[in-house]
Order: sequence, then C-alpha cells, then structure tokens
Amino acid sequence: QVQLVESGGGVVPPGKSLRLSCEASGFAFNTFTFYWVRQAPGRGLEWVTLLSYDESHQDYADFVKGRFSVSRDNSKNTLYLQMTSLTTEDTALYYCARESLLLGWGAFDFWGRGTMVTVSS
Amino acid sequence: SSELTQDPAVSVALGQTVKITCQGDTLTTSYANWFQQKPGQAPLLVIYRRDARPSGIPDRFSGSSSGNTASLTITGAQAEDEADYYCNSRDISLNHVVFGGGTKLTVL
Repeated sequence: QVQLVESGGGVVPPGKSLRLSCEASGFAFNTFTFYWVRQAPGRGLEWVTLLSYDESHQDYADFVKGRFSVSRDNSKNTLYLQMTSLTTEDTALYYCARESLLLGWGAFDFWGRGTMVTVSS
Repeated sequence: SSELTQDPAVSVALGQTVKITCQGDTLTTSYANWFQQKPGQAPLLVIYRRDARPSGIPDRFSGSSSGNTASLTITGAQAEDEADYYCNSRDISLNHVVFGGGTKLTVL
C-alpha cells in the first residue's frame, strides 16, 4: 500500500539547518509531483514547496525562498527538504504530500504523518 | 498575495446539513479541493476538482462552486465528521497552490 514516511525533524536553535526526508513506498515514486506542507501548532496548512516528478519544476513559498531547497532521489524513492537559516516561525509539523495529476492540481491524495521541527534557543 | 477565506468555525446538529465555504479570486479560474483533518492525523482528501469524491469517501460529502466561492456540503452530518476542513486551489498567476485558513466543524 502507499506509504509516505517523513523523518529528520527535531529541535534546533535559530539560524541552524535541518534536512527532512520523506521515504515513499507502494507506488511509482518517479511519476509523481510532491509537496512539502507545514502546519504550525494550532494553525492551518501552509504550502512550502513543490518538486515535479522529473525535477524540471520546483517552486517555493515566499517565506522560504532562498532558505529551503527541495530535492529528490528517485532511485531511493525519497524526497528531501534542506532547511537553512531556521527561525522560530519555521516551527511546525512538516508533511510530505503526493499530488495526483489524475485527480487534478492540488489534489493531495496521500500524506505522510509528518515530522516535527521545533526552532528554539 | 492570493488568499482563500474560510469561516473559522461552524457547527451543525447531528444528522443535519452543513455547508462550509471557501472564498477567493483563484476560485474563478481554478477548482477547489477539500481536506478533512482530525486531531493528531494527517489531512484526508474528501473532494477534488470541485465536486468529485475519492474512493472511500461517504456520499454525504459533496462539493460545489459558484463564482469566487467553493462549498463543501455534508448532508446528514455524523459525529465522526467533526474535524477541521481546509480548501485549496491553484493560483494560476503564481502557479502554485494556496490553502484556506480552515474551518473547525463541531457536530452537536
């Protein structure tokens, strides 16, 4: 069955870096576009970045441009999010989500359980 | 910046019908998707492309749209429908997705 498992979260001081991973299984990873979506404690969902199946298209929310970088290794069925210059505003549960083009733009049909990033001194 | 606006909270009596709305300019050019999120769980897609239901989603969930407003209707709300509901849509000018702020649904 389809599974997305995020890892790499933790507690880091402001200004530091962290790399998140999202390991996929149960489907053809290299045919899907993926997103990172975050949710600050008690807050709503917030799109962070997207990366197309062949890495030809990527985009970032304004609040992470220049600080975060998304990548993927299709041979390892894994999506990454490199986060640098972290601030307390980046504290959130980070989800990876699969976009189903069959269902349409923004139709995230599978999500991981998320990995928590806490930025605190 | 693009925005999707949702009422922060809505309540419905058990077995009654409730409509949750999502308003924004992007909805005039792009359809809405709807997600249900229960406490401690990842979001779940309940409506895509405005009015289509993924496999396994009960038919009491339906979607519609008019002008710049998309709606999620639950006909005969059940206790297990109590959750946060989020819409999203594509901002064509920016070519990325935008989420609404979410609506907390309480089933009384």
